Amino acid sequence: DQQVKQNSPSLSVQEGRISILNCDYTNSMFDYFLWYKKYPAEGPTFLISISSIKDKNEDGRFTVFLNKSAKHLSLHIVPSQPGDSAVYFCAASLTNTGNQFYFGTGTSLTVIP
Amino acid sequence: DTGVSQDPRHKITKRGQNVTFRCDPISEHNRLYWYRQTLGQGPEFLTYFQNEAQLEKSRLLSDRFSAERPKGSFSTLEIQRTEQGDSAMYLCASSSRGDGHYGYTFGSGTRLTVV
Repeated sequence: DQQVKQNSPSLSVQEGRISILNCDYTNSMFDYFLWYKKYPAEGPTFLISISSIKDKNEDGRFTVFLNKSAKHLSLHIVPSQPGDSAVYFCAASLTNTGNQFYFGTGTSLTVIP
Repeated sequence: DTGVSQDPRHKITKRGQNVTFRCDPISEHNRLYWYRQTLGQGPEFLTYFQNEAQLEKSRLLSDRFSAERPKGSFSTLEIQRTEQGDSAMYLCASSSRGDGHYGYTFGSGTRLTVV
C-alpha cells in the first residue's frame, strides 16, 4: 500500500525557470513531510522538511508547500540550476513509530542549461 | 566525522549464500535505520535501532534477515539464504532526533546483486 505517491516520474525545466515537484499522501496522521535529493551512486540527501502544522517552509531557492485538506505537498525550486538535476523523493513520517519514513517513488528532474 | 559509512559498496553473491553488511553511523547519532531500495522505487523501511535496542521491524524483514547494533554504535544487516528478490540497494541512515524535522543522514548504500 503506497501511502506516499509521486505521479510524475520525470520533469524537464529550463535553467532559471521554476521547477515544481508534486507529492500526494493518504495517511492524515503523518506529522512531518520531507524532500530528499539523490544523485546516482549516492544515498539520498535531506533537502527540506515541513511540519504538518505549517503550510509553507522556505530555505533559499527551495520552498515546500503543504495542503492538508488535499493531502498534497509540492517542492518549488526557483531559479532552477543544472546542479539541481537529480531524483527527488518525497517522504512522510510518523513520529510515534520511531520516525519511520514513507517514501514516494521519486521524480527525476533535469534542468536544461 | 565523514558521515554515515557503509561497507561494502557492492556485493555480488550466489543464490543461497549468506551476506552481511556493515553500517557506521555518525558518532553522536543514537538512532540508526536500515532501508531497502529496489529499481524504480523509493526507499522502504526495514528496521530501526535506538542505541542498541531494535525498536521497529517491518514485515519486509523476513526471518532470513537479521540486524544488530551490539554496542549502540555500528550495525550489521545479515541476509541468510539469499534469493534473487533480495537484489536491491541497502541503505543505512542515522539521526539524533526522534522526529522528521531534520531528516536522516543516509549512507551511500550497499548494492546487492544475487545471481
